[in-house]
Amino acid sequence: QLQLQESGPGLVKPSEPLSLTCTVSGGSTSSSSHYWGWIRQPPGKGLEWIGSIYYSGSTYYNPSLKSRVTISIDTSKNQFSLKLSSVTAADTAVYYCATEVGDSGKMGYWGQGTLVTVSS
Amino acid sequence: DIQMTQSPSTLSASVGDRVTITCRASQSIGTWLAWYQQKPGKAPNLLIYRASSSESGVPSRFSGSGSGTEFTLTISSLQPDDFATYYCQQYTNYPWTFGQGTKVEIK
Repeated sequence: QLQLQESGPGLVKPSEPLSLTCTVSGGSTSSSSHYWGWIRQPPGKGLEWIGSIYYSGSTYYNPSLKSRVTISIDTSKNQFSLKLSSVTAADTAVYYCATEVGDSGKMGYWGQGTLVTVSS
Repeated sequence: DIQMTQSPSTLSASVGDRVTITCRASQSIGTWLAWYQQKPGKAPNLLIYRASSSESGVPSRFSGSGSGTEFTLTISSLQPDDFATYYCQQYTNYPWTFGQGTKVEIK
C-alpha cells in the first residue's frame, strides 16, 4: 500500500522560503506510472493544486504560483520536495503531497497533510 | 484555467436520502473528472475518476456521471459516514483545478 508523509517546518516567517519534503513508502518515486504532486488548502477553504513532477524530473506548475515554486525529486531517497519562495500570510495552508496514478491528474494517494503557518 | 463550479455549496440531508451534487466546467473536459470526499482534519479521498469509474473500495452507493461540461455525483442512500465535503476536479488541462466544494450536512 502506497503511503506518503509530509515533513517540514510548521512555522515560516514572511518573505522566507517554505520547504517541505514528501517521503514515499510502499512504492517508488522512480516509477514511470506515477506523477508526484503538491496541493494546498488554506484554513476553511478549498483545494489548490500547486504542481507535479514526473520521475524524469519534468515539472508542471500552477501559473498562479509558478514564479515562486520549485518541485524536485530524489529517487535515491524516495522523496520529492516543494520549495515556495517569498511567502506571505496568504500562503498559510495545509500542504498535502499526493500521487497521480494511472491517469495523470487522478490523485489516488495522499499524505495526511501538514499545516504551515506564515507569521513573524 | 478551467473553472469548476459546484452546486449547491451546502446541502442538508437525512440518512437514507438520495443526494446529488453538480459540477460544471467552464469548457469541455471530456470525462477527465474526479470526485473526492474530505472529512474534517483529513486528506481528500478519491471516490470517482474519469467521471464515472469508481475507485477500488468505494461503496457502491457512490456513482458519477456526465461528460463535457456537466457532471454529477450521486449518493443513492446517504449513510452517517457520508457527511463530509465533496470536491470535483478536472484533469484534462494544466493547471488541475477543483470546485469550491459541497458540504453535506445532517438535516
